[in-house]
Amino acid sequence: DAKTTQPTSMDCAEGRAANLPCNHSTISGNEYVYWYRQIHSQGPQYIIHGLKNNETNEMASLIITEDRKSSTLILPHATLRDTAVYYCIVRVILRNTDKLIFGTGTRLQVFP
Amino acid sequence: DTGVSQNPRHKITKRGQNVTFRCDPISEHNRLYWYRQTLGQGPEFLTYFQNEAQLEKSRLLSDRFSAERPKGSFSTLEIQRTEQGDSAMYLCASSYRGGPPYEQYFGPGTRLTVT
Repeated sequence: DAKTTQPTSMDCAEGRAANLPCNHSTISGNEYVYWYRQIHSQGPQYIIHGLKNNETNEMASLIITEDRKSSTLILPHATLRDTAVYYCIVRVILRNTDKLIFGTGTRLQVFP
Repeated sequence: DTGVSQNPRHKITKRGQNVTFRCDPISEHNRLYWYRQTLGQGPEFLTYFQNEAQLEKSRLLSDRFSAERPKGSFSTLEIQRTEQGDSAMYLCASSYRGGPPYEQYFGPGTRLTVT
């Protein structure tokens, strides 16, 4: 199973862009990159996912390198409510398998 | 769409007792997942259902753990003869199968404390 590596923690000023990196050098061709975040004592919240193309939604942008070995989650204008643990995840979907493989995540602290 | 619900939200039990948790997925979601999360760690996959069929179980799911999803609707996770190492947050998620992979929506979790 592919695994991900993320910085343990990051800080970001409110209103600035937060760029969260992730390495997934052993990812396979049929495995997706997902990003979730978790605010203390709540269930993980979906942010965005991609296979090989860059993706954007109302919450964030996902930039995946051409070799798919790393990606970056971009929160364009961080707010205090974006303070959370952000997980970069590989999703394995095969015939009888469908699971998210979480790492330990990046604790993002947004400060005023 | 009321989201994924889990009950109870908190459970304190003594070592050796049995506990059962319930998960109600988003309606029409035919995939259901259980994860376990210990303090400071990311969630770990436990098991996965498609409709009523349990298609995969992690080796983390020892013989003391059993999960069911009768009729492909709600699911239960039972832990027999609980141990202190079972103390964790148990998370349930659901998703819809079909077309591109849809995101897994997580419930709020059940926090288990074994004393």
